[in-house]
Amino acid sequence: KQEVTQIPAALSVPEGENLVLNCSFTDSAIYNLQWFRQDPGKGLTSLLLIQSSQREQTSGRLNASLDKSSGRSTLYIAASQPGDSATYLCAVNTGNQFYFGTGTSLTVIP
Amino acid sequence: DGGITQSPKYLFRKEGQNVTLSCEQNLNHDAMYWYRQDPGQGLRLIYYSQIVNDFQKGDIAEGYSVSREKKESFPLTVTSAQKNPTAFYLCASSTLTGINTEAFFGQGTRLTVV
Repeated sequence: KQEVTQIPAALSVPEGENLVLNCSFTDSAIYNLQWFRQDPGKGLTSLLLIQSSQREQTSGRLNASLDKSSGRSTLYIAASQPGDSATYLCAVNTGNQFYFGTGTSLTVIP
Repeated sequence: DGGITQSPKYLFRKEGQNVTLSCEQNLNHDAMYWYRQDPGQGLRLIYYSQIVNDFQKGDIAEGYSVSREKKESFPLTVTSAQKNPTAFYLCASSTLTGINTEAFFGQGTRLTVV
């Protein structure tokens, strides 16, 4: 069964710092990988989707990479802002299901 | 606006009661999902449906039931058989599987047993 792990579970950084969130998965047979943002008490908002054949995707200050063969993805956030504070989750699509990591809780300190 | 609407946002259940959580989407998606989220845990799949009048159990289906009578709607009933129902419930939808299949989520329903 696919297992998705996110490290670290929590991260606190000063405003303006660049940071990297990590996601690993055990089965490389995936269609794509998505990164989400979740604010407290809210649903998940999709940030980026990387197809299995792609190496990276960019949206504004966010850049996500995918190394399918090694089962790893990273989300790079440039010039972090207090508004980036949230929980970030990754999910892999294996066909008829999505498998989610437990998330990284990010706090950006002004 | 296209999206997924979950209602209610907050729900309180007495012991022994069944309650139904609503999920409606206007994205014309074939697939719909219900997840449960507990503190410190990832999302766990309860049920999913890829076509009207058909649905499949996920990892934690015991104590829950669903129906898919319309493409737009996928209500979840939390029955009295679910021993620990207090959690945050999330509904999602997507197109059928492909490299561009993307999951979209509602805003969630927080269920509390009183």
